Amino acid sequence: TQLLEQSPQFLSIQEGENLTVYCNSSSVFSSLQWYRQEPGEGPVLLVTVVTGGEVKKLKRLTFQFGDARKDSSLHITAAQPGDTGLYLCAGGETSGSRLTFGEGTQLTVNP
Amino acid sequence: DAGITQSPRHKVTETGTPVTLRCHQTENHRYMYWYRQDPGHGLRLIHYSYGVKDTDKGEVSDGYSVSRSKTEDFLLTLESATSSQTSVYFCATAQAAWGFAGELFFGEGSRLTVL
Repeated sequence: TQLLEQSPQFLSIQEGENLTVYCNSSSVFSSLQWYRQEPGEGPVLLVTVVTGGEVKKLKRLTFQFGDARKDSSLHITAAQPGDTGLYLCAGGETSGSRLTFGEGTQLTVNP
Repeated sequence: DAGITQSPRHKVTETGTPVTLRCHQTENHRYMYWYRQDPGHGLRLIHYSYGVKDTDKGEVSDGYSVSRSKTEDFLLTLESATSSQTSVYFCATAQAAWGFAGELFFGEGSRLTVL
């Protein structure tokens, strides 16, 4: 099983600050997804990136897939309390048979 | 929302008892998955199904079995529950396999406590 490491595991910031969450592996992935999970609910897909170097933007969220397809980052600009949640990265293994999740980053944005 | 319902949502049981969790979907998705979520471990795949009666093991399958007799239902069974199986269990579905970067749709989770 390919491993994905997320950092930081916990992040507490003030409203309006910027932040970056990282997802790293020594393995190559065919695709990389980011999910957000709120308490008592299942994760919900935010974005999928499939090409090395790809950058996608979703309002104040910017996602990047590393050139070598081994890592990814999520950058949030001007964080808001509504961004609070657990952010999970998930890599599709090149064999196409498994999706590996990172441990997650718990983000808290204080008003 | 892929119309995924899990039951029961909460269950407390004793060590050694059998437990079955049910996942029901209304979207006719081919692929279904069972994950467990524990602090510090993210989501770990238990078993998955790529069609009716077609299932395979995930990374933490020991102590669990699954069955899929209909497209819409995927059952997870703990034959003899242990305290290490205390967790939150999520069912997920997908139209396409991971190799095609398919989106996973998750249920709301089933919290299982084994005393």
